[in-house]
Amino acid sequence: ETGVTQTPRHLVMGMTNKKSLKCEQHLGHNAMYWYKQSAKKPLELMFVYNFKEQTENNSVPSRFSPECPNSSHLFLHLHTLQPEDSALYLCASSQDPPNGELFFGEGSRLTVL
Amino acid sequence: AQSVSQHNHHVILSEAASLELGCNYSYGGTVNLFWYVQYPGQHLQLLLKYFSGDPLVKGIKGFEAEFIKSKFSFNLRKPSVQWSDTAEYFCAVMLSGSARQLTFGSGTQLTVLP
Repeated sequence: ETGVTQTPRHLVMGMTNKKSLKCEQHLGHNAMYWYKQSAKKPLELMFVYNFKEQTENNSVPSRFSPECPNSSHLFLHLHTLQPEDSALYLCASSQDPPNGELFFGEGSRLTVL
Repeated sequence: AQSVSQHNHHVILSEAASLELGCNYSYGGTVNLFWYVQYPGQHLQLLLKYFSGDPLVKGIKGFEAEFIKSKFSFNLRKPSVQWSDTAEYFCAVMLSGSARQLTFGSGTQLTVLP
């Protein structure tokens, strides 16, 4: 048990669908992250939220839309995705300011048909 | 922008063999260094970290890593691997300063044969 829970664990969607990934942390952290993990590529940082405010957006296409309603919850809203967006999406949390120790969820495996 | 290189994509060892996984980074300033591990079907978790002081750091499960500043390296080692060490290992770098975000390498898959 990592203290960071992601749902759903697996998601298959068509390119015209709208879906959301959810992340919840029970660690009392104030920073939350979305990473994309593709095979044989470095983890790609997508978004960072500190105290509910977005502080990082690494040139992520607008078809990915994050939402952080409070310090414990983070969403990633998905719409009109492309097959190349298929990947494992990882949520993480950390204390703020960050010290490099991230606590990851188990990920949401997304397949875009 | 900084980058992290892990040159070995897949390493296969027999139990009791010694392990060394390479990690090099490209940044000339002060860095904090990390190794994360992802066991099959599990979440990514911190294995060890270096901030300052003794360049040889010890982590969980008998792993250690050595920071060699002149070589921009932070290689991971274990004297004798076990089957349960089969996992993917990620090196990561965090710059000291305002950004303080982790940059990860592409990972090395370690398979230990029983």
